[in-house]
Amino acid sequence: GAVVSQHPSWVICKSGTSVKIECRSLDFQATTMFWYRQFPKQSLMLMATSNEGSKATYEQGVEKDKFLINHASLTLSTLTVTSAHPEDSSFYICSAPSSGWNTGELFFGEGSRLTVL
Amino acid sequence: GQNIDQPTEMTATEGAIVQINCTYQTSGFNGLFWYQQHAGEAPTFLSYNVLDGLEEKGRFSSFLSRSKGYSYLLLKELQMKDSASYLCAVRDQSRYKLSFGAGTTVTVRA
Repeated sequence: GAVVSQHPSWVICKSGTSVKIECRSLDFQATTMFWYRQFPKQSLMLMATSNEGSKATYEQGVEKDKFLINHASLTLSTLTVTSAHPEDSSFYICSAPSSGWNTGELFFGEGSRLTVL
Repeated sequence: GQNIDQPTEMTATEGAIVQINCTYQTSGFNGLFWYQQHAGEAPTFLSYNVLDGLEEKGRFSSFLSRSKGYSYLLLKELQMKDSASYLCAVRDQSRYKLSFGAGTTVTVRA
């Protein structure tokens, strides 16, 4: 099946710093990728839809200036958490639809666990 | 928007059958998905229903009734490795994105 790789898996940073998370589709092209956030024992909440070559579409309540998304190529989307604070500590997961999107599968990256001290 | 409900927790014994229900209310519908997620890991795809009826894949089956806004995931011959969170997700017709339920944590006991 299609592979989506996310990096880094774990990151610890100081409050006020910025953190970049990369999401790559390894064996297919993804014009669209989705970024989710998951707090402990809660479900995945969609943050934004990343679109190759154009601006990301953010969900209501998500600050676009805080969570910068760049979809520079057909295989790479990045999420930058700017001026991170402890409340931004969460599990961030990206996903991408493969060619089989109309029949089902959305492939997820391994996730990135962010801890802001 | 989407409103997706599923039970918080379920417990069953090894070898048993468990059924996880999911009800949804949506402004648009283009498919219902079930994902399995182990603690600290990303979700993995289990099944997909877009038409009414039962889809069977080995020990896992998923059922959909669009008129009732209802689905269930059936896990047969439970194994210890099936202990995980099971997420029900609905795809919006207009924007092709998934909205997830809160997940059902299944604990399999020996």
